[in-house]
Amino acid sequence: EVRLVESGGDLVQPGGSLRLSCVASGFTFSSYWMHWVRQAPGKGLEWVSRIHNEGSTIGYADSVKGRFTTSRDNAKNTLYLQMNSLRVEDTAVYYCAGFSVFAWGQGTLVTVSS
Amino acid sequence: QSALTQPASVSGSPGQSITISCTGTSSDLGSSKYVSWYQQHPGRVPKFIISEVTNRPSGVSDRFSGSKSGYTASLTISGLQAEDEADYYCSSYTTSGTWIFGGGTKLTVL
Repeated sequence: EVRLVESGGDLVQPGGSLRLSCVASGFTFSSYWMHWVRQAPGKGLEWVSRIHNEGSTIGYADSVKGRFTTSRDNAKNTLYLQMNSLRVEDTAVYYCAGFSVFAWGQGTLVTVSS
Repeated sequence: QSALTQPASVSGSPGQSITISCTGTSSDLGSSKYVSWYQQHPGRVPKFIISEVTNRPSGVSDRFSGSKSGYTASLTISGLQAEDEADYYCSSYTTSGTWIFGGGTKLTVL
């Protein structure tokens, strides 16, 4: 069974940092691109970032470029999202997703508030 | 980049067919085969229902079908059922190497 499990969501002050993790199982993690997608409370889905299966190319939405960094450790089957300079508008449930394996994690809530 | 354009809401009666449109530009829908649709029930995780414009992942009902013409993709649900009431989102790969989602459509089964 394909499974993605996120962790690391928390309450953080504006300007703060947080690192999210996503552990994958049930498929060959190192063979697939992975994505981060977020959903603000009561809002729609917003694509955040994607990373090539070997980590060689990474793309970001304009809204997070320069502040967020996506990485992966294929030996640990783990995807990461380092979030710096967090803003109130970054408040959302963050999902990791494998589009090619049709999988989403359960999401982890990030709340940015003073 | 602006979100793909979807109607805010659609509705239909049980047994009917409905179509949700998703409109983009030459930089996304117009040039991408990586067009997907997702179903999200309230408080739940999104679920893939269509990938690469027309493909249904294993386990997805054949009542769901996808198509694309020019800059517009469409999701059709036939034989509408109460359990189909949910939010639906489209997404597309873009020529910038990013992905983009639609704003979402709330389907109400009357």
